[in-house]
Amino acid sequence: DTGVSQNPRHKITKRGQNVTFRCDPISEHNRLYWYRQTLGQGPEFLTYFQNEAQLEKSRLLSDRFSAERPKGSFSTLEIQRTEQGDSAMYLCASTLMGAQETQYFGPGTRLLVL
Amino acid sequence: GDSVTQMEGPVTLSEEAFLTINCTYTATGYPSLFWYVQYPGEGLQLLLKATKADDKGSNKGFEATYRKETTSFHLEKGSVQVSDSAVYFCALSQGGSEKLVFGKGTKLTVNP
Repeated sequence: DTGVSQNPRHKITKRGQNVTFRCDPISEHNRLYWYRQTLGQGPEFLTYFQNEAQLEKSRLLSDRFSAERPKGSFSTLEIQRTEQGDSAMYLCASTLMGAQETQYFGPGTRLLVL
Repeated sequence: GDSVTQMEGPVTLSEEAFLTINCTYTATGYPSLFWYVQYPGEGLQLLLKATKADDKGSNKGFEATYRKETTSFHLEKGSVQVSDSAVYFCALSQGGSEKLVFGKGTKLTVNP
């Protein structure tokens, strides 16, 4: 068990550019979550997958955001036409589906939009 | 919607002091409750959890009791160490998606 990994760890981009982040969950975890954390705030839910199906999206997830989990393993989060307000830490977590299962978090990808 | 309110920080204590970080929640149904910790430069880690009323979660000397009557899940530790310096997040989840709803976090600094 190598834990949840996220790449890249840091990303600096210019406003209007597209960015893509990757999350590799703990193997055999069938649920994968994306959260966003801004400075001084707790993480906020963005979306989650059960296997390859995206089952819920937050209202925070505008149409510039898209997430995939094509084979039910790793996931990608893409932000198109980035805005300065997108600057945040993007966190990924995984778990085995079931009541009260612990979510294990990755180290996050810190995005800075200039 | 569901929400979590936790004590504003930062909190600064001397080593061996008693720690309480207050957390209250608003939720429909019967959520599970969690405390996560974020050490400097590291990711979020589960500290403890409780899944039903009157349950007590404990880990590394930290404790929290799920109080349904007061909708609270306060974190306590009898004697803090410098190594406990971190940001602590209270959170809840409910059945279905089991997505976590977090409080804003409380930064704890423990001085020697």
